[in-house]
Amino acid sequence: AIRITQSPSSLSASTGDRVTITCRASQGISSYLAWYQQKPGKAPKLLIYAASTLQSGVPSRFSGSGSGTDFTLTISCLQSEDFATYYCQQYYSYPQTFGQGTKLEIK
Amino acid sequence: EVQLVESGGGLVKPGGSLRLSCAASGFTFSSYSMNWVRQAPGKGLEWVSSISSSSSYIYYADSVKGRFTISRDNAKNSLYLQMNSLRAEDTAVYYCARDHHDQSYYFDYWGQGTLVTVSS
Repeated sequence: AIRITQSPSSLSASTGDRVTITCRASQGISSYLAWYQQKPGKAPKLLIYAASTLQSGVPSRFSGSGSGTDFTLTISCLQSEDFATYYCQQYYSYPQTFGQGTKLEIK
Repeated sequence: EVQLVESGGGLVKPGGSLRLSCAASGFTFSSYSMNWVRQAPGKGLEWVSSISSSSSYIYYADSVKGRFTISRDNAKNSLYLQMNSLRAEDTAVYYCARDHHDQSYYFDYWGQGTLVTVSS
């Protein structure tokens, strides 16, 4: 199975900050990567797919980049509602695998 | 509005069985692959199983292969997960999730989840 290493595991930031979360795949996955946001007690929400395509309705302050093995999720200007846990997922091959998550907390 | 509503979770003893259901509405269920994804308490997400729109393609995580069976009834707009030989490590919230498009393998709509607890 393809391993996904996500970093950092936690991150403290303030509203208005720019933050970046990274995922690294154990082998090349082209652009078959998605990003999700999960708030406590809620289901995950799709933010980005195909590494950089914004899901309908997701604010433009979210962006994704990368291909091959290295990927980033950037939130350009943090809002209060962005404090949550973020996961990446590779869907290049079965089994689809997720990163271990990044908990974004208020500083 | 797309809705996915899971049911069937609960407390079960090790070695027991449980059947989860997911009722879908607000979209043409028969046109989409569907999935089960689970999350152990305080842990990350783990993909469990997928089934294509016509049930032609079915996949399982190694951790559940031979114990869990995914199925669907397109006439009833429903997805199922039959879970047998349950273990403590199967304890998790189980989410039903829709592929963004058939066999896209990433998930655009998720249910609220149903909690399965395996304990004696």
